[in-house]
Amino acid sequence: GAGVSQSPRYKVAKRGQDVALRCDPISGHVSLFWYQQALGQGPEFLTYFQNEAQLDKSGLPSDRFFAERPEGSVSTLKIQRTQQEDSAVYLCASSPLGSGGRNYNEQFFGPGTRLTVL
Amino acid sequence: AQSVTQPDIHITVSEGASLELRCNYSYGATPYLFWYVQSPGQGLQLLLKYFSGDTLVQGIKGFEAEFKRSQSSFNLRKPSVHWSDAAEYFCAVRSNFGNEKLTFGTGTRLTIIP
Repeated sequence: GAGVSQSPRYKVAKRGQDVALRCDPISGHVSLFWYQQALGQGPEFLTYFQNEAQLDKSGLPSDRFFAERPEGSVSTLKIQRTQQEDSAVYLCASSPLGSGGRNYNEQFFGPGTRLTVL
Repeated sequence: AQSVTQPDIHITVSEGASLELRCNYSYGATPYLFWYVQSPGQGLQLLLKYFSGDTLVQGIKGFEAEFKRSQSSFNLRKPSVHWSDAAEYFCAVRSNFGNEKLTFGTGTRLTIIP
């Protein structure tokens, strides 16, 4: 079956522009995650959805970052007034929902969107 | 707060040689542990995972990892590497209840020489 897809794969923005990054999770996956991976670093958590509910947004670096998942499937990560430090690969992952409060399922990652801010 | 340390930034091994990549974690209880591999331009692919039970975990592509609670470690091993194993390897930890976010180490880049 289809995996997690992300678009665009590459995005170049001028400083100050707004960008929108899209994630299509695996069909039926309830949990959706966004991570930011700076060059030479490991991915860092941004935010987490369960269906349409954003349960954790503690990793969003500033109020310029906004994520939504209005119908519980596709998600969009929006960055307003982009800055050079926003340049990174943005990874999306999805996971089935566990039961009883414990989830033994892995997260499946998309290929990422590489954002370059000039 | 949970954290992961991968002390080796870059490792070079000869094709056919054995491999061990180190991972140490910090977490208050027994965490869920993962190893992912990332090839250039690709997303992260899960190699193996540990939740509970047998501390020696087998994964895909001939990889295995051993959870050692006393050392807070989850090192990745492979007895004989192939040129196709050249990639970036990430160890990750997750809470065993509730919040499902992954905390990653900074990664180890593996180079294979003929």
